[in-house]
Amino acid sequence: AQKITQTQPGMFVQEKEAVTLDCTYDTSDPSYGLFWYKQPSSGEMIFLIYQGSYDQQNATEGRYSLNFQKARKSANLVISASQLGDSAMYFCAMRESLAGNMLTFGGGTRLMVKP
Amino acid sequence: ETGVTQTPRHLVMGMTNKKSLKCEQHLGHNAMYWYKQSAKKPLELMFVYSLEERVENNSVPSRFSPECPNSSHLFLHLHTLQPEDSALYLCASSQDRARTYQETQYFGPGTRLLVL
Repeated sequence: AQKITQTQPGMFVQEKEAVTLDCTYDTSDPSYGLFWYKQPSSGEMIFLIYQGSYDQQNATEGRYSLNFQKARKSANLVISASQLGDSAMYFCAMRESLAGNMLTFGGGTRLMVKP
Repeated sequence: ETGVTQTPRHLVMGMTNKKSLKCEQHLGHNAMYWYKQSAKKPLELMFVYSLEERVENNSVPSRFSPECPNSSHLFLHLHTLQPEDSALYLCASSQDRARTYQETQYFGPGTRLLVL
């Protein structure tokens, strides 16, 4: 079974609107971290936001927030007030305490912001 | 220089060439990673170095040879590659402490490799 699933290969959003990118994960480890990265066409993987499995509150970083639903094993990224520069690939990733150094990535979602 | 840097940014090589990719991190981290990103495939972890010792080698062919001379530098030596090795190679670093699952990996800009 896939550890990280991103079911939306591509998404469009109108500039200035909010968008939600889906991520579900599979683990039996009680201790894990969830990460979102942005990859523009230049290739660099840019860290956006982190959510720990024991965190009681949803993580927020500026226009990025994480809708963490632990029981459903989902960690959706919400981008508010989309900007043209948000057009990129977005990857959800997970690190499990029992997996040591492994960071497992999903297949990614390509977000396109329309002017 | 800040963050994680990689050189070269682009590389074209023949199957008989030998080349090296370089990664340098300026974040004071103690772990470094090589990833491969092929078209339409998830990122694949290739190698992990923690405190300059290799701790992970995910069944990578021997034509890829990593080297970590110190905690700030990581190399990937390439020889007799195949066309299917064409990909984006990303380097990352993190400060791994007791709870590594909490530690963020920071990536460099990558090297786009084309093997002819």
